[in-house]
Amino acid sequence: DIQMTQSPSTLSASVGDRVTITCRASQSVSNWLAWYQQKPGKAPSLLIYKASTLQSGVPSRFSGSGSGTDFTLTISSLQPDDFATYYCQQCNSYPITFGQGTRLEIK
Amino acid sequence: EVQMVESGGGLVQPGGSLRLSCAASGFTFSSYWMTWVRQAPGKGLEWVADIKQDGGEKYYVDSVKGRFTISRDNAKNSLYLQMNSLRAEDTAVYHCARGLRIRSEFDIWGQGTMVTVSS
Repeated sequence: DIQMTQSPSTLSASVGDRVTITCRASQSVSNWLAWYQQKPGKAPSLLIYKASTLQSGVPSRFSGSGSGTDFTLTISSLQPDDFATYYCQQCNSYPITFGQGTRLEIK
Repeated sequence: EVQMVESGGGLVQPGGSLRLSCAASGFTFSSYWMTWVRQAPGKGLEWVADIKQDGGEKYYVDSVKGRFTISRDNAKNSLYLQMNSLRAEDTAVYHCARGLRIRSEFDIWGQGTMVTVSS
């Protein structure tokens, strides 16, 4: 199984900050990497797929990069609505696996 | 409006069975891979099972193989998860989700149904 490791597990930041979340795969997943945002009590929402493609309707302040084993999600200027938990997901091989999550909280 | 609504969750004793349903609307259900993903209380996301558009291919996480069965009825726009021999570690919110291809990212999610396995 491919293990997905996110860092940090928790991130404290302020509105307007630029933040980066990292996701590392235990083996190459090519560019088959997606990012999700989840708010408490809600279903996850797809932000980015194929490592860097922005899902329709997602604000352009979100961006993704990377390939192989190392990936990043960047939010260019944090907005109040962005405080949530973020997950990466590899869809290169079964079983599909997710990172453990990064909780983005208000400083 | 594109949406999926899960049902069938509840409290069940260890060793018991439960059948979850997911009703899809607003899109051509038969054109998409479908998936179940679960989330234990306070924990992260765990992929459970995938099914191809025609039901001809199914994939499972090892921890549920032989106990859970994913199925679909395209005429009813519905996805199912039959869960047998339930264990405490199966306690979670179960979400159905839509995939664009085999081993996909998931672009539409249901809100989930809670399954609690406890005596």
